[in-house]
Amino acid sequence: AQSVTQPDIHITVSEGASLELRCNYSYGATPYLFWYVQSPGQGLQLLLKYFSGDTLVQGIKGFEAEFKRSQSSFNLRKPSVHWSDAAEYFCAVGPYSGGGADGLTFGKGTHLIIQP
Amino acid sequence: GAGVSQSPSNKVTEKGKDVELRCDPISGHTALYWYRQSLGQGLEFLIYFQGNSAPDKSGLPSDRFSAERTGGSVSTLTIQRTQQEDSAVYLCASSHRGGQSSEQYFGPGTRLTVT
Repeated sequence: AQSVTQPDIHITVSEGASLELRCNYSYGATPYLFWYVQSPGQGLQLLLKYFSGDTLVQGIKGFEAEFKRSQSSFNLRKPSVHWSDAAEYFCAVGPYSGGGADGLTFGKGTHLIIQP
Repeated sequence: GAGVSQSPSNKVTEKGKDVELRCDPISGHTALYWYRQSLGQGLEFLIYFQGNSAPDKSGLPSDRFSAERTGGSVSTLTIQRTQQEDSAVYLCASSHRGGQSSEQYFGPGTRLTVT
């Protein structure tokens, strides 16, 4: 079965500093990968996705992620964080079955704290 | 346009009562998903609808959970004889079509508290 690991439960970054959130996946085929962000009391918002092609994908809010098949990783990056980036970030791998009946498999999330 | 909406936003119920949670997907989206988010388990997939049918119900945690979708639109998740371990945020998502590459849009969730 597919699985997603986000090794960092909490990360604290100073405002203006760069950010990298780690994600490793286990998947039996070409993965469909996603990063979502959840602000307090809100639903999940899609930041970016990878299906195929260029391994460096750009998303909203200045985020990007790089797919590395050899490392089974899909790390999220941002060159300079803003206080509004403080939130919970989830990495997810897409449904294993072609019909999508499995839904998304999520990691446990990384809580991002921004220091002034 | 309108996103995925869910009601109620918060629900407090007594142990043993039944609850119904509602999801209104984005208009025109044929696929609908239910997830549960809890502190101990993280985000868990519960069930998926393509149109009105759910091909696989094995993700539902117990036989106290059921879900239906009518008219290819609104879905309800029903929990019978609620237990304290059912306390969680229940998230609904919809996508234009099902399948691996179809982006899912999430609603704000229903926070269920069982006392």
